Amino acid sequence: GAVVSQHPSRVICKSGTSVKIECRSLDFQATTMFWYRQFPKKSLMLMATSNEGSKATYEQGVEKDKFLINHASLTLSTLTVTSAHPEDSSFYICSARAAGRDGMAEQFFGPGTRLTVL
Amino acid sequence: QKEVEQNSGPLSVPEGAIASLNCTYSDRVSQSFFWYRQYSGKSPELIMSIYSNGDKEDGRFTAQLNKASQYVSLLIRDSQPSDSATYLCAVKVRGSTLGRLYFGRGTQLTVWP
Repeated sequence: GAVVSQHPSRVICKSGTSVKIECRSLDFQATTMFWYRQFPKKSLMLMATSNEGSKATYEQGVEKDKFLINHASLTLSTLTVTSAHPEDSSFYICSARAAGRDGMAEQFFGPGTRLTVL
Repeated sequence: QKEVEQNSGPLSVPEGAIASLNCTYSDRVSQSFFWYRQYSGKSPELIMSIYSNGDKEDGRFTAQLNKASQYVSLLIRDSQPSDSATYLCAVKVRGSTLGRLYFGRGTQLTVWP
């Protein structure tokens, strides 16, 4: 149980194009999904938190117009990197929060999407 | 500022030994604690969660929580080369926005044969 998928797993695109990444919770409903990015040998950096049916909450320094997040259902959230540039190249990982016992929610991560912008 | 501190390592232990990973946190109202394992180039994988003071065992893994001292640790018994990875400590603070987790920078563990 608690499986999260991400698609695509890897994408290479030209500078200036937009890239959409999908995150799905396959066997549970996710009230909240989180989007992270991670540079090589660095720690996870939370970009934004999304709740189904409402606007995403972005962390300080993350451009909401550049990283568009849509959480259309309890099993799907998407991240669109608009007008991507080489500095956006990174490992993007989503996680989904599942309600556990006594409300102690655990987060399960998708496999990640490696974005390379040429 | 919610801080989660981990020794970045690398921690190197021989196969069969006990690996001990430590994590301290700054916020006293922290509620839930998690250990994730991340292999190089992969995403984090949840291996343990602990909510109450004391020990919690799952196979070769034991999580220990001491809220008074604000630390949580992970013991890996009979370490195997396949345990070589970065271990991330994560903390959920009571009342945190939508259950966000605060992560440490991770401890790199190497188990040598």
